[in-house]
Amino acid sequence: SVLLYQKPNRDICQSGTSLKIQCVADSQVVSMFWYQQFQEQSLMLMATANEGSEATYESGFTKDKFPISRPNLTFSTLTVNNARPGDSSIYFCSSMGGSSYEQYFGPGTRLTVL
Amino acid sequence: GQQVKQSSPSLTVQEGGILILNCDYENDMFDYFAWYKKYPDNSPTLLISVRSNVDKREDGRFTVFLNKSGKHFSLHITASQPEDTAVYLCAAANQGGSAKLIFGEGTKLTVSS
Repeated sequence: SVLLYQKPNRDICQSGTSLKIQCVADSQVVSMFWYQQFQEQSLMLMATANEGSEATYESGFTKDKFPISRPNLTFSTLTVNNARPGDSSIYFCSSMGGSSYEQYFGPGTRLTVL
Repeated sequence: GQQVKQSSPSLTVQEGGILILNCDYENDMFDYFAWYKKYPDNSPTLLISVRSNVDKREDGRFTVFLNKSGKHFSLHITASQPEDTAVYLCAAANQGGSAKLIFGEGTKLTVSS
């Protein structure tokens, strides 16, 4: 398995500002993903964070709004640009664990945009 | 469109009962199927999963059945307990491709004592 850590645990920001969410894995992982909680219970895949190249975004998410960096195999950053109240949610990073097909999740970052 | 669908937003069952959670998917390329348990505002935790080369996997009180021709998989929970009260998310992925996990909308399960 793999352990994922996220920082910060929660953040409150004003509309129009930007903020960064960091995700760190305790071992090198090939695939890293970012999810947004929706409908208060499920998760929507935002993008795949690719090491050393641009992230691959899902429909409804753009690199201008949610730029993602992945400088190495243990680290990724999600930025929320020009934050709006509609961006208030919990954001999770995830990764497959080693040779297993199982996917593990970070604890999440709760974002509130005022 | 929604690639993975859970038809029941919520379900209530008496303690000790058997319950079945259902999930339908659209993508023929999915080859990995999983059920996660999630508490409000917490990250999901993996309950049980199967690859497409098996049609059933059992782990204690939890069994997952896969019907590839019907693009359907289900989670059976026996001897339900109040501690099973949570949101259950089904998910599927094409592990041979992008490996990205796609979730259903979730079923909120309540086990009453």
